[in-house]
Amino acid sequence: AQSVTQLGSHVSVSEGALVLLRCNYSSSVPPYLFWYVQYPNQGLQLLLKYTSAATLVKGINGFEAEFKKSETSFHLTKPSAHMSDAAEYFCAVSDKATGKLIFGQGTTLQVKP
Amino acid sequence: GAVVSQHPSRVICKSGTSVKIECRSLDFQATTMFWYRQFPKKSLMLMATSNEGSKATYEQGVEKDKFLINHASLTLSTLTVTSAHPEDSSFYICSVGNPTGNQPQHFGDGTRLSIL
Repeated sequence: AQSVTQLGSHVSVSEGALVLLRCNYSSSVPPYLFWYVQYPNQGLQLLLKYTSAATLVKGINGFEAEFKKSETSFHLTKPSAHMSDAAEYFCAVSDKATGKLIFGQGTTLQVKP
Repeated sequence: GAVVSQHPSRVICKSGTSVKIECRSLDFQATTMFWYRQFPKKSLMLMATSNEGSKATYEQGVEKDKFLINHASLTLSTLTVTSAHPEDSSFYICSVGNPTGNQPQHFGDGTRLSIL
């Protein structure tokens, strides 16, 4: 069965600092992986996706993630945090047989001025 | 990606009322839609997969008689919470996806349901 683990339910950074949100997956087949962001009382917005092309994936708002098969990781990074990045972030793996998304527990990103 | 419209965004109603939530795919013919429930400070919990023209597939533990899903067209899926009670209060989110999962799901803005 596929699963996703997000290490750290809460991450706090200063404005301008590096953002690193961790995601590890478990999958018996090459996975499709996604990062989503959720602002309060809103749905989820896609940040980026990995579907077996380039291992370094660039997304919106300056975010990127690197797929590392040897580490079963798909960590999300951004070189310089902005106040508007404060939100909830979800890593997810897709079940190829059904199209279902399996979500991690989520990480709350706090950005301090 | 697909544009998904979810309505209403917020509903408050009395216990015992049935509430219908609509999820529309505005620019994509969606054979598959998903319904999620999200508790405060928690991740999304998949409730069911909505399949156009056929019965929805419910996840284990989700009462199909309580949460009625209809997907009569390629652009509309509805979730009806029947005889709602305070414990059904939650944030419900729909998404449009594809059966192979090689494309991202696109989400509606969610519905905040509050049962008094």
